[in-house]
Amino acid sequence: DAGVIQSPRHEVTEMGQEVTLRCKPISGHDYLFWYRQTMMRGLELLIYFNNNVPIDDSGMPEDRFSAKMPNASFSTLKIQPSEPRDSAVYFCASSKAGGSYEQYFGPGTRLTVT
Amino acid sequence: AQTVTQSQPEMSVQEAETVTLSCTYDTSESDYYLFWYKQPPSRQMILVIRQEAYKQQNATENRFSVNFQKAAKSFSLKISDSQLGDAAMYFCAYTNYGGSQGNLIFGKGTKLSVKP
Repeated sequence: DAGVIQSPRHEVTEMGQEVTLRCKPISGHDYLFWYRQTMMRGLELLIYFNNNVPIDDSGMPEDRFSAKMPNASFSTLKIQPSEPRDSAVYFCASSKAGGSYEQYFGPGTRLTVT
Repeated sequence: AQTVTQSQPEMSVQEAETVTLSCTYDTSESDYYLFWYKQPPSRQMILVIRQEAYKQQNATENRFSVNFQKAAKSFSLKISDSQLGDAAMYFCAYTNYGGSQGNLIFGKGTKLSVKP
């Protein structure tokens, strides 16, 4: 079975530009999570969805960040406008309701904003 | 709020030896899951082992085992017969449940080096 798929793997952009990160969860999983990893703050949850509905977006740093899940097999995380402090690795993870609550992570997108 | 603490930023072990990584957590919940994830230089987060809080028996996965002390809120990972491929960042993580899933709360991680 394919794991969680994220694209792009690397993104380099200039400050002020719009950035869109994409995620395809594991088929059959009900939950989708977006995390951000930085040296200073470690791994932190940005937002998560259950059955395509956003449940908790309290981790989204500010209005420049938005996330959508239009269907069970696709989600996007958008940053507009991007800033250098947004540089980080962004992970998408999915899990299945009724399972053992473990989350399966994608390979991450390394974002660099110059 | 729940917190997860890994007090060892870095650890080192000789190949074929045993190493233990420490993790403590704070929660007022009685039902929860604990996990260890491995992050090699490829940055892929890989699940190593899980422990359900209601189970007294410590989880084991091949060379990886945990020492779960619920009263002490301690969850350490033991790696036996260490291999070069075990070199990575290791993250302890917590999630509670009770009808719905929440997010994983991660510790800051322990960087494990394996010496040949």
